[in-house]
Amino acid sequence: ETGVTQTPRHLVMGMTNKKSLKCEQHLGHNAMYWYKQSAKKPLELMFVYSLEERVENNSVPSRFSPECPNSSHLFLHLHTLQPEDSALYLCASSQDRLAGGPEQFFGPGTRLTVL
Amino acid sequence: DQQVKQNSPSLSVQEGRISILNCDYTNSMFDYFLWYKKYPAEGPTFLISISSIKDKNEDGRFTVFLNKSAKHLSLHIVPSQPGDSAVYFCAADNTDKLIFGTGTRLQVFP
Repeated sequence: ETGVTQTPRHLVMGMTNKKSLKCEQHLGHNAMYWYKQSAKKPLELMFVYSLEERVENNSVPSRFSPECPNSSHLFLHLHTLQPEDSALYLCASSQDRLAGGPEQFFGPGTRLTVL
Repeated sequence: DQQVKQNSPSLSVQEGRISILNCDYTNSMFDYFLWYKKYPAEGPTFLISISSIKDKNEDGRFTVFLNKSAKHLSLHIVPSQPGDSAVYFCAADNTDKLIFGTGTRLQVFP
């Protein structure tokens, strides 16, 4: 595997379900991100982890819960979601700013539909 | 309040001609600006970036121009190819996070 991978690619869930999105990066980076992309809106940053510590949480509802067990893996745990949470969820990674530039590298995304 | 704006949702260009994609921003403290390209069912792919201390950066067919006084940047693609058809996002680096525009859909026709 190369680059940034995400599983599953598509997910349909009911409002009472619990599911998790997984992201893995094979680039040796030490910062990872979750973004949400809704139709006709800019990418919205949800969470940032740098060196496995959460450094940013953009006022995301608690029904989204991130986990970063090591610098290569990032999870987004989902529970009691709402239909308006349906979107494309993108994971990205980068070097931290002390080690490299601002470029972030994205996975293919998980298309989430909440019924 | 949107700090990075792409006011043209779509652009159609003939193959071989120049494509110019525009982006405006409001925060003069941004350090870097980046362009990403996105195909359907794929994540955004980094294309080219420019530091705020420069006014031009070129990489093959892609050139980014930065006009700090106007708080405007543009991406030029020349010559345009059908494979360039995608959504293009500009992004600005705000300390350690990127702020994205809404994207411009470029279609290159034969």
